[in-house]
Amino acid sequence: DTGVSQDPRHKITKRGQNVTFRCDPISEHNRLYWYRQTLGQGPEFLTYFQNEAQLEKSRLLSDRFSAERPKGSFSTLEIQRTEQGDSAMYLCASSLIMASGSVYNEQFFGPGTRLTVL
Amino acid sequence: AQKVTQAQTEISVVEKEDVTLDCVYETRDTTYYLFWYKQPPSGELVFLIRRNSFDEQNEISGRYSWNFQKSTSSFNFTITASQVVDSAVYFCALSEARSSGNTGKLIFGQGTTLQVKP
Repeated sequence: DTGVSQDPRHKITKRGQNVTFRCDPISEHNRLYWYRQTLGQGPEFLTYFQNEAQLEKSRLLSDRFSAERPKGSFSTLEIQRTEQGDSAMYLCASSLIMASGSVYNEQFFGPGTRLTVL
Repeated sequence: AQKVTQAQTEISVVEKEDVTLDCVYETRDTTYYLFWYKQPPSGELVFLIRRNSFDEQNEISGRYSWNFQKSTSSFNFTITASQVVDSAVYFCALSEARSSGNTGKLIFGQGTTLQVKP
């Protein structure tokens, strides 16, 4: 395990369909983050997990979005009833937070899943 | 409100020139962290550096150097003797302590596209 992996790398779907993305973090990392990046912009925070607990969700995350990390390892991000505005790169990142250490360790990013909604 | 501004949208230089990428941030927290990431054409964000708000020492790593000035809320990045392989989008990011509730989430600037021509 050399880094964060994401699957699929590309997804093309029709408006109204549901899609699910998967992220496998670096194995010993306990924090997992999801970001969304649109063309020409920096990534924007969506949500994050500490182990299996989802601790914060951005207002960007509408009710159509749901994320899980059931066993504190891999995570899934599902978008229901996709809209053209959901077209973006979805990035996953992980980091290791020690109990007595800083929460601001660097996050390691995966290659992203590029979603195109037609 | 927290914000990161990278005013330079695109920079083009010729190989071996030095180039500085600007980053200005806004935060009300006294404890925060600043980061630089590189996003090559492959799309994966690569961590370059992390600085905390209490450490204003400049840092040099090979051809890369960073200048952190709290007085001007800036965290600029200089590449010395640029190379074609440095061509990428560079992002500056901020992570706050108290305001974010210790989430560690990153707030990114819009990025600066650097093109190094041979």
